[in-house]
Amino acid sequence: AQSVTQLGSHVSVSEGALVLLRCNYSSSVPPYLFWYVQYPNQGLQLLLKYTTGATLVKGINGFEAEFKKSETSFHLTKPSAHMSDAAEYFCAVSDPNTGGFKTIFGAGTRLFVKA
Amino acid sequence: NAGVTQTPKFRILKIGQSMTLQCAQDMNHNYMYWYRQDPGMGLKLIYYSVGAGITDKGEVPNGYNVSRSTTEDFPLRLELAAPSQTSVYFCASSYGAGGNTGELFFGEGSRLTVL
Repeated sequence: AQSVTQLGSHVSVSEGALVLLRCNYSSSVPPYLFWYVQYPNQGLQLLLKYTTGATLVKGINGFEAEFKKSETSFHLTKPSAHMSDAAEYFCAVSDPNTGGFKTIFGAGTRLFVKA
Repeated sequence: NAGVTQTPKFRILKIGQSMTLQCAQDMNHNYMYWYRQDPGMGLKLIYYSVGAGITDKGEVPNGYNVSRSTTEDFPLRLELAAPSQTSVYFCASSYGAGGNTGELFFGEGSRLTVL
């Protein structure tokens, strides 16, 4: 069975500061890993994904995440926060053999950015 | 590029009423899903479909029904609405298996309140 744990339901940073959102997963098979972002009153959209290959993946809006198998982690980072980054972020894990219909989402982390 | 379209965006129901949430996608995706999102709980899978005529239960199917008569449409039916069904509902789609990375494409959501 797969599961996802996001550490911290709320994270607050100052504009220009480093953003670090933590995600740990468990999976019995090598997983696909995702970060989705949800802006207020909108649906989720893909920020970045890891499938195979390079463990450091870059996404939209300057975000990146590193797959660390030994730590079962997929933390999301951005060097310098912008006010427009304020949103809710979801980490998700998927079994590659199921084509997506076994995607499991974390509970989400709401990012606040202070001026 | 419409993507995934959900209607209605907002609805208030009385206890015991029934309604259908509509979902349509124009990306020719084989897989479609219905999730519900509750505060602090992430997204929970209600039902999914891997193709026209095929549906299956997700994690929280009780009180809901679905059908998939065409590739494009995947309506969600609520029978005998209860306050516990107050939530935000998201429809999503993805490519089929076989090279599919499992990336999900979401609609903008339907906010349902049951009073």
